[in-house]
Amino acid sequence: QQQVKQSPQSLIVQKGGISIINCAYENTAFDYFPWYQQFPGKGPALLIAIRPDVSEKKEGRFTISFNKSAKQFSLHIMDSQPGDSATYFCAGGDYKLSFGAGTTVTVRA
Amino acid sequence: KAGVTQTPRYLIKTRGQQVTLSCSPISGHRSVSWYQQTPGQGLQFLFEYFSETQRNKGNFPGRFSGRQFSNSRSEMNVSTLELGDSALYLCASSLEGQGGDTGELFFGEGSRLTVL
Repeated sequence: QQQVKQSPQSLIVQKGGISIINCAYENTAFDYFPWYQQFPGKGPALLIAIRPDVSEKKEGRFTISFNKSAKQFSLHIMDSQPGDSATYFCAGGDYKLSFGAGTTVTVRA
Repeated sequence: KAGVTQTPRYLIKTRGQQVTLSCSPISGHRSVSWYQQTPGQGLQFLFEYFSETQRNKGNFPGRFSGRQFSNSRSEMNVSTLELGDSALYLCASSLEGQGGDTGELFFGEGSRLTVL
């Protein structure tokens, strides 16, 4: 049973465009919402994270938007670059992290 | 600082066999978590060990087990392998565990298991 639902499964964006990945959760005990980035042949690595008392967090070209009442959060990648091509996982955390199924992002040059 | 090291990186087994995977966490990290990664399912939590004790467990059958040693190194074992066990098994370490202040997990590159 997936506690965090992630969409889309994959997306293709042109260089310089915006990539948007959406996640929804059910468990209201989650108090930590990270995003992990995974390149082929590598393990996932923390990209950016947010706590539920904040509605938005920005780090460089990456922004998390968080809607507590809707139990949804999203990752926006601005000015997407070929080096951003990777699989992105959202997660919700209480005593453990529950991950979404992942979104494969391909940035075309 | 060395990262999380997993061995072996690749292995092939046949149905009914058993397998042991090893994980060396980042020095100083006391928590080790294991995840199973399959296409379309994302990362499924197996278990977490902290100071040699299993602290949390996911919804996997008893064929999946693990342990942690006094130096924080961890092993996971899968007995009576099934075709559906083919996956990338990821180990992650953290300072205080997934419930810690930052919750950041540091992942290894995984052990890719193929069951024939």
